[in-house]
Amino acid sequence: DTAVSQTPKYLVTQMGNDKSIKCEQNLGHDTMYWYKQDSKKFLKIMFSYNNKELIINETVPNRFSPKSPDKAHLNLHINSLELGDSAVYFCASSLLGTDYEQYFGPGTRLTVT
Amino acid sequence: GNSVTQMEGPVTLSEEAFLTINCTYTATGYPSLFWYVQYPGEGLQLLLKATKADDKGSNKGFEATYRKETTSFHLEKGSVQVSDSAVYFCALKWNTGFQKLVFGTGTRLLVSP
Repeated sequence: DTAVSQTPKYLVTQMGNDKSIKCEQNLGHDTMYWYKQDSKKFLKIMFSYNNKELIINETVPNRFSPKSPDKAHLNLHINSLELGDSAVYFCASSLLGTDYEQYFGPGTRLTVT
Repeated sequence: GNSVTQMEGPVTLSEEAFLTINCTYTATGYPSLFWYVQYPGEGLQLLLKATKADDKGSNKGFEATYRKETTSFHLEKGSVQVSDSAVYFCALKWNTGFQKLVFGTGTRLLVSP
């Protein structure tokens, strides 16, 4: 009965590689988000999709490309990984509207060596 | 710009002590305010929220009051438990437009028996 799930939970890879993180929600929400949490625990939004349409795109390098095949899924693909990409990436979902809570996934810890 | 400032941590308390974690915000207009909690190894969970001035959010013994005059949303609990040890994030979200959460830097709380 997991609400927001992410895979993988841990990802260790070398610089220059390309990797993907997947997110799925079974809450019936229409909006999904990717957040990045750095080593100092600072959390910042990266992207948001509503009904498969990109609605928030913060200043993120072009190497990061989100894809939403349907309302329940939002994947994050990262090309040419750099050391500075090491972080915990959180997926979240909600209904679109001012009163709706965002539900977060457990996070994916990405380590680039 | 819009931002949230939290007190630096860690905050170290003994069980049953009184807790205050300060949070102030800078924003145009009147955002909604939130406290999220992150337990070790987990994603964020909404702890409480307030959507307008003078609203008090409360949950699990935690409280915070939306103070427009001081642009603050301090988190308080009368008697902390060891199980409250976690990282606490203050956040704001606009009541119009897209649902972007802006987080503070987080405050780690350590409660000892």
